[in-house]
Amino acid sequence: SQTIHQWPATLVQPVGSPLSLECTVEGTSNPNLYWYRQAAGRGLQLLFYSIGIGQISSEVPQNLSASRPQDRQFILSSKKLLLSDSGFYLCAVRWETQYFGPGTRLLVL
Amino acid sequence: EDQVTQSPEALRLQEGESSSLNCSYTVSGLRGLFWYRQDPGKGPEFLFTLYSAGEEKEKERLKATLTKKESFLHITAPKPEDSATYLCAVQASDNFNKFYFGSGTKLNVKP
Repeated sequence: SQTIHQWPATLVQPVGSPLSLECTVEGTSNPNLYWYRQAAGRGLQLLFYSIGIGQISSEVPQNLSASRPQDRQFILSSKKLLLSDSGFYLCAVRWETQYFGPGTRLLVL
Repeated sequence: EDQVTQSPEALRLQEGESSSLNCSYTVSGLRGLFWYRQDPGKGPEFLFTLYSAGEEKEKERLKATLTKKESFLHITAPKPEDSATYLCAVQASDNFNKFYFGSGTKLNVKP
């Protein structure tokens, strides 16, 4: 069975600071990986997806970027955080359907 | 434009009081419709996948149904532990990597 890890669980960052969120997957190889953001009281917004190492598709133009340096590692980054980047960030893997990790709560102050 | 709308936004039920949640969708081509349960501060937990109109899936007190334009999640005799936000998502047939989520229905079941 697959296991999705996300790190860190919570993060408080000042506006203008950099960001790096990590997602790692166990129990599968060459997975399709996804980053979503969930604002308070809203649905999930797809940010990026990746079908393989170094292959990133961006769904929403914004302040964020993603990278996939290894088969089962997906990283979400920003050079300068904005207040609007606050939210709950979820990593997911697709195996028939999508399965989600535990999430990272980001608060930008 | 592909989109998913869930109603109601919030639902309060007494324990044992059955009800239904609605998910209506517009998508150019539907590959699948998914229901998730999300507890506060946690990632969504997969419940059901439905692929074609007329299909039904059941799990304990939950039953999901699908028509050509909407899906229902029926909750029979709910218990307080069923309290959560229920999310609906559709997967487009032209890109299997695109999933469109509704805003969810927040269910509160009182004992």
